[in-house]
Amino acid sequence: SQTIHQWPATLVQPVGSPLSLECTVEGTSNPNLYWYRQAAGRGLQLLFYSVGIGQISSEVPQNLSASRPQDRQFILSSKKLLLSDSGFYLCAWSPTIAAGIWSPLHFGNGTRLTVT
Amino acid sequence: SQQGEEDPQALSIQEGENATMNCSYKTSINNLQWYRQNSGRGLVHLILIRSNEREKHSGRLRVTLDTSKKSSSLLITASRAADTASYFCATARDDKIIFGKGTRLHILP
Repeated sequence: SQTIHQWPATLVQPVGSPLSLECTVEGTSNPNLYWYRQAAGRGLQLLFYSVGIGQISSEVPQNLSASRPQDRQFILSSKKLLLSDSGFYLCAWSPTIAAGIWSPLHFGNGTRLTVT
Repeated sequence: SQQGEEDPQALSIQEGENATMNCSYKTSINNLQWYRQNSGRGLVHLILIRSNEREKHSGRLRVTLDTSKKSSSLLITASRAADTASYFCATARDDKIIFGKGTRLHILP
């Protein structure tokens, strides 16, 4: 069966420090991968998605970046965190299927990031 | 950009009653999905309805889709305390799945 791992679960970082959040998927190949951010009491904002190794689409221009160095690994990074980067970061995957047909997303348990 | 918008933002009902949440969206879609999120956790997929479907059932869940009105509803029948959570609709278009802001459902004992 497929599983998704996301770590760390919580993180407290000072303003201006770097960030690296990692997400890995097991039990499937060539998944679509997604990073979302959820502010307190709010909906999910799509940050990045990837349909293959090295293929990253950015939805929100900001000081975050994403990389997909391996098929089932998705990394969210920042060189210098801002206070506004605080939030709940969720990684998700879905199977790659025929164009125009979409499967549900499977989410990790999230990383609670507090920038101080 | 925000695609789906849920209504109401918050809903409190007595255990055993039915809960109805609505979702409106703006552009054409491939399908619409509903998810549930318990506090501080990731989202869990509940049900997917394709753009050519009008109604779908799964256990105590009933989802309708009206593409002419660009709206969907999620009905939870015979609510239970364990149904307390936030519920989100999500629309799929091209490679993106975009979520609304969610409805916070609280089931009162």
